[in-house]
Amino acid sequence: QQQVKQSPQSLIVQKGGISIINCAYENTAFDYFPWYQQFPGKGPALLIAIRPDVSEKKEGRFTISFNKSAKQFSLHIMDSQPGDSATYFCAVQGGSEKLVFGKGTKLTVNP
Amino acid sequence: EPEVTQTPSHQVTQMGQEVILRCVPISNHLYFYWYRQILGQKVEFLVSFYNNEISEKSEIFDDQFSVERPDGSNFTLKIRSTKLEDSAMYFCASSGAGAGINEKLFFGSGTQLSVL
Repeated sequence: QQQVKQSPQSLIVQKGGISIINCAYENTAFDYFPWYQQFPGKGPALLIAIRPDVSEKKEGRFTISFNKSAKQFSLHIMDSQPGDSATYFCAVQGGSEKLVFGKGTKLTVNP
Repeated sequence: EPEVTQTPSHQVTQMGQEVILRCVPISNHLYFYWYRQILGQKVEFLVSFYNNEISEKSEIFDDQFSVERPDGSNFTLKIRSTKLEDSAMYFCASSGAGAGINEKLFFGSGTQLSVL
């Protein structure tokens, strides 16, 4: 059972464009929704996270939009830069120690 | 920023052999985790550890796996008899408070385990 579905699998964006990655989840018990960024050869690093009591959270060029009724959340990267090229994972957590990760989105930002 | 350190970065072993993967979590952290990532796939939870005992484990974490905090700084994952399907990148992570209350998780750079 796939607890969180992430799309797209890969994404190519031009420098300065907006990158949008989506995740959908099933279990309404989840109450923490982080996004992780992973560069090749490195571990995942927390980028930004949201809790279900807000619909949007912005940190610099990164924004999470959260739709509780649709059980969806998305990551928006504004003014995408080549240095943003990485794999992005959404994750969910609730009532448990473990993070459940999506399958990842490989983002390539062309100069 | 403080870092989680993992050694070795690469480990090659023969099927059936025991391996120990080592981690030094961030010094004032209390909660420790192992995750793994098979090449090109998602990151999967293996086990969480707090107060010298396992607090949660996944179905992947069977009797072949064990964890230990042998001293005040190290956290180890032992695979008793490795299988081909254990080949993966293993990530150690730590947090100051339990991930269950949404504390930030810090991941190490991983140990790439190859079982031949």
